[in-house]
Amino acid sequence: DAKTTQPNSMESNEEEPVHLPCNHSTISGTDYIHWYRQLPSQGPEYVIHGLTSNVNNRMASLAIAEDRKSSTLILHRATLRDAAVYYCILRDNYGQNFVFGPGTRLSVLP
Amino acid sequence: DSGVTQTPKHLITATGQRVTLRCSPRSGDLSVYWYQQSLDQGLQFLIQYYNGEERAKGNILERFSAQQFPDLHSELNLSSLELGDSALYFCASSQRGDAYGYTFGSGTRLTVV
Repeated sequence: DAKTTQPNSMESNEEEPVHLPCNHSTISGTDYIHWYRQLPSQGPEYVIHGLTSNVNNRMASLAIAEDRKSSTLILHRATLRDAAVYYCILRDNYGQNFVFGPGTRLSVLP
Repeated sequence: DSGVTQTPKHLITATGQRVTLRCSPRSGDLSVYWYQQSLDQGLQFLIQYYNGEERAKGNILERFSAQQFPDLHSELNLSSLELGDSALYFCASSQRGDAYGYTFGSGTRLTVV
């Protein structure tokens, strides 16, 4: 499985943008980049995913480097509710199971 | 509410015992996945079922087994429990080829004493 590298933890102030980086230098051409997050005492939840182009949804934006060896999850205005562990995962579309790494623990300060 | 229902939410049992965790997938989802999350191991994939058949196995111990029934709900059976089996157990479901991945339940917290 192609691996991802994320910082262990990050901090942000409430209502400021947050950029969560992910390195995936061994990504293959068929790997999608998925982001999940896990709020305290809850199961992981889907945030966003993409292949090559930048993606936006109501939760976040995903910026993918041109060489696809890194990506950044962008939360445009962090709220206290965004405090969670964020996982960056590579997965192809052939039924491969999600493999979760340690993720980035995001703290949001009021 | 994610649509994936796990019961019970909490379970406390003694070493050597056997327990059954239940998962009802989101309506229309044919695949069910089980994950274990302990403090020192993070989220570990255990096993996947698709429409009643086992599809993939991860780091599942021989003392653990699972099945998916015709109504698509799944059960994870844990036997000869040890202290180290204390963890959160998550179930997730997806449609076949669901590009958005998995929908997770809120988990069952198992404590073995």
